[in-house]
Amino acid sequence: GENVEQHPSTLSVQEGDSAVIKCTYSDSASNYFPWYKQELGKRPQLIIDIRSNVGEKKDQRIAVTLNKTAKHFSLHITETQPEDSAVYFCAASKRRNTPLVFGKGTRLSVIA
Amino acid sequence: DAGVTQSPTHLIKTRGQHVTLRCSPISGHKSVSWYQQVLGQGPQFIFQYYEKEERGRGNFPDRFSARQFPNYSSELNVNALLLGDSALYLCASSFGGPETQYFGPGTRLLVL
Repeated sequence: GENVEQHPSTLSVQEGDSAVIKCTYSDSASNYFPWYKQELGKRPQLIIDIRSNVGEKKDQRIAVTLNKTAKHFSLHITETQPEDSAVYFCAASKRRNTPLVFGKGTRLSVIA
Repeated sequence: DAGVTQSPTHLIKTRGQHVTLRCSPISGHKSVSWYQQVLGQGPQFIFQYYEKEERGRGNFPDRFSARQFPNYSSELNVNALLLGDSALYLCASSFGGPETQYFGPGTRLLVL
């Protein structure tokens, strides 16, 4: 089955700097890749997702890139702010009737 | 527009007991998935239901069962609770499959 590896497990950046979180997946049939942000004690919230027919997607300070050949995708957060501090999870799935497989998460700390 | 709701929010049980967790999806969503999130880990897939039929099952023992009702709400049942079942149980809904899943606030289960 699918296996998703996520790095790093923890990341500290200064406010205003960029943060990059990387994930690799094993199943070449996977074609949907969402990213979730989970603040302490709260639900995971979808922040951005990408499908395999797209190489990059941006939403304000957040961007995701996908390299299907290498089977890896990355989350980029620019101009980080203290409220970006949270645990970020990547996930992968096939199009229909298969579950999301999550990475183990990255704890991002933005230091003011 | 209401999001995914879950009840109860917190639950304390003892070993050997059983528990029923409930989930109401976003209006119009027909698919519900259940995930278990152990502290410090990413969510692990338990079940997916679509149109009241089981569409996927994760690597969990038969003590775990679920069902979906005609109004698309869902229940997760866990029998013969073990200490290791202590976790945050998340319900996620989507329109018609595993893509773009939106999570509820979760039920935090503690087994003593």
